[in-house]
Order: sequence, then structure tokens, then C-alpha cells
Amino acid sequence: ETGVTQTPRHLVMGMTNKKSLKCEQHLGHNAMYWYKQSAKKPLELMFVYSLEERVENNSVPSRFSPECPNSSHLFLHLHTLQPEDSALYLCASSQDRTSGGYTFGSGTRLTVV
Amino acid sequence: QKEVEQDPGPLSVPEGAIVSLNCTYSNSAFQYFMWYRQYSRKGPELLMYTYSSGNKEDGRFTAQVDKSSKYISLFIRDSQPSDSATYLCAILHSGAGSYQLTFGKGTKLSVIP
Repeated sequence: ETGVTQTPRHLVMGMTNKKSLKCEQHLGHNAMYWYKQSAKKPLELMFVYSLEERVENNSVPSRFSPECPNSSHLFLHLHTLQPEDSALYLCASSQDRTSGGYTFGSGTRLTVV
Repeated sequence: QKEVEQDPGPLSVPEGAIVSLNCTYSNSAFQYFMWYRQYSRKGPELLMYTYSSGNKEDGRFTAQVDKSSKYISLFIRDSQPSDSATYLCAILHSGAGSYQLTFGKGTKLSVIP
């Protein structure tokens, strides 16, 4: 593991389900991120938290809801997803927002059926 | 126009070859330039980080930035099968107190023994 741990590694959910993705870092970083990675597309930034405060929400549908209870943990709550939401969801952290040196987790492979 | 363009490949080379991976960008405000490596079923990991025009070397890897042409490159000398991965360029820019890390689509590299 890289220092950023994501669970679960794989998730299959129906469109009416509610599930949560979890991310944990003990690197002492102050910024955390959720990214979506789909085939043949660049990484898409979803949410940014800096010092536990959400600082960016890149026009993400409300069926994705982030939560950052402390500087080490980040959640992504999912509900009523669509099949096109199937992707690899990556969590990352960095020392602060001015740093481009992100540490990524291994991701959660999400399949919506 | 996309902000960061990267040829997705795939690129296949024999072991020992010199590999050249490239990205172009359109926004002159880009300040910091990174290369990430992503193995299958893993998250991206930071490989190289530079902020100025010119070359930066780290072992078999050389990152090159040409700000006048808005062109960045990663060279891999004496390529090994263990270099087989997807390589993503990433560029950090800042403005009005906001920081944005923009990724290319990634180039999938296979080094054949």
C-alpha cells in the first residue's frame, strides 16, 4: 500500500442501492481528493478537501456526496447511481493544495448494474 | 481545446529501447509538471516533478520541459519489462487562490522481453 488506503477494492451495486467508499491516509497530509478514472478519459477531479473543508466541487451530480470527518479520512457516499458511473474511483492526498505531488490509493472499482 | 493532450498509445517497445512519452498543453499559466506511473489495478504514483524548462534526471528517467513550445516529455533509457505501465503527465497551475492539477489521458507502455 502507498500510504493511502481505499476500501472496498471492488464494489458492485444496483441503481437503487446506497453505499460508501472509504479512504484513509496517515501521511500527515492536509489535502484530500476524489478522482474518477474512466477508460480513455483523463482523471476527472470530483472533490477537494483542504484542512477538512470542501474547497472544490467540480459539477458532480448530487448522487455523489463526500464527507471528510477529519484530516485522515474521506468518504464518498453513493446513492441512486447510473450505469455510466461505473469507473475506478481514486482517492489521493497531498501535503497541501499547492503541491502537485499526490499520493494515490489503489482505487475502488465500481460497477453499477 | 483540451488543456493537456497525450497520445494514449498503446506503445510497445523491445527491452533495452529508449522510450519517449510526450504531452502538450495549452494554458500558459501551468507552472509545475509531473509524470505519474500507473500499474494495472493500482493507483498512479509520482515518478518525476519539475517546474522549470530544461531537463531533470533520475536514474533511467529524464523529464524534459519546453515552456516556449508548451511541450513536456519523459524519456526512459534501457527500458525494462517492469516499466510496462500507463504513464500520465500532469500539470499544476494556480490562479486566484485556486490550484488545479490537470492530467493527460495516459500512454500505455509495454516493454517486451
